[in-house]
Amino acid sequence: QVQLVESGGDVVQPGRSLRLSCAASGFPFNNYGIHWVRQAPGKGLEWVAVISDDGSNKDYADSVKGRFTISRDNSKNTLYLQMNSLRAEDTAVYYCAKDPSRYVGQSFDSWGQGTLVTVSS
Amino acid sequence: DIQMTQSPSSLSASVGDRVTVTCRASQSISDYVNWYQQKPGKAPKLLIYAASNLASGVPSRFSGSGSGTDFTLSISSLQPEDFATYYCQQSYSTPRTFGQGTKLEIK
Repeated sequence: QVQLVESGGDVVQPGRSLRLSCAASGFPFNNYGIHWVRQAPGKGLEWVAVISDDGSNKDYADSVKGRFTISRDNSKNTLYLQMNSLRAEDTAVYYCAKDPSRYVGQSFDSWGQGTLVTVSS
Repeated sequence: DIQMTQSPSSLSASVGDRVTVTCRASQSISDYVNWYQQKPGKAPKLLIYAASNLASGVPSRFSGSGSGTDFTLSISSLQPEDFATYYCQQSYSTPRTFGQGTKLEIK
């Protein structure tokens, strides 16, 4: 079965950097687009970024554009999110979520359990 | 960006009740709407895709309908495990956007 496991969440100071990882198993990782979606404490869901199956196409929410970079290593079945210049408003649980297509498709059909990023001095 | 507005924000109901949650898009989006269920401390789970298609493994008491700007999620006979927060999401354009959520609580 599809499994997505995020890691790398931590408490960091504003302005610092952090890299999240999402290890995938149970499906052909290199055939699907993967997203990052975040949820601030007690709030709703916010789409963050997406990467195509081969890594050639990427898109970002305006709120993170220029600060966050999504990437993937298909040889390791792993997705990454490099987060730079972190702000307090980036505090959230970050989920990786599988797309049913090779890039941006109909839905987020499987999700990881999430990893918490707290930006605080 | 397309704004998704859910109503109500919260809802109290009893086991066995039929409930309906509504989602309105800020522009016409055909049937490009999905619904997710999220329980406290857990990841969201896909329930309905393309407005009316049941995701794999989802009980048939869940159903979705709508097209254009107005969409509904219905639960025909509430079970104890259905008390959760529900989100709609549009897949018509990027950025993908979600409704603010509807928290379904036990009466």
